[in-house]
Amino acid sequence: GQQVMQIPQYQHVQEGEDFTTYCNSSTTLSNIQWYKQRPGGHPVFLIQLVKSGEVKKQKRLTFQFGEAKKNSSLHITATQTTDVGTYFCAGPQGGNTPLVFGKGTRLSVIA
Amino acid sequence: DSGVTQTPKHLITATGQRVTLRCSPRSGDLSVYWYQQSLDQGLQFLIQYYNGEERAKGNILERFSAQQFPDLHSELNLSSLELGDSALYFCASSVTPGGQETQYFGPGTRLLVL
Repeated sequence: GQQVMQIPQYQHVQEGEDFTTYCNSSTTLSNIQWYKQRPGGHPVFLIQLVKSGEVKKQKRLTFQFGEAKKNSSLHITATQTTDVGTYFCAGPQGGNTPLVFGKGTRLSVIA
Repeated sequence: DSGVTQTPKHLITATGQRVTLRCSPRSGDLSVYWYQQSLDQGLQFLIQYYNGEERAKGNILERFSAQQFPDLHSELNLSSLELGDSALYFCASSVTPGGQETQYFGPGTRLLVL
């Protein structure tokens, strides 16, 4: 079945440094979604990308969907301690099927 | 607050026992998903229901079962519990069942099997 791989698994950064997590799918995705889970919390929807090559920004967060719609990235500029958490990407398996979540990238920010 | 509620928040039980986790979806959402999250693990999809019917199955053990009731709340039943079943169990909901839909997660039930 379809797999969604995320790298890196963990990332430790100094506050103010940039951070990027990458998501790769074994198949073409109709859309990709990103979620954030704070420590002790539950996953919260951040954004959905649908179009090939799409780029969306939310303040310091930049999301990209690859031209082939098989990969995506999330870039955070000038990380803050509030960015701490695990970032998951997720894409549908195909057709009208549920999302497949990547294993996530856990971000630690050292003040 | 996502609008999805889960009870109980915490559950401690012994091996061999059976527990029931409950989830109420957001108002208007017809689809419910169950996930298991173990320490340092991602979200393992267990099962999905849509408007009372099973829609999709993931890595759900035979010891586990679920259902969605006419009022759309869902229950996940875990039986013959083993130590390895200790995990966070999340419920999520969406309006329709497809992969285009945003999923809204509940706060989770933390299960500890001793």
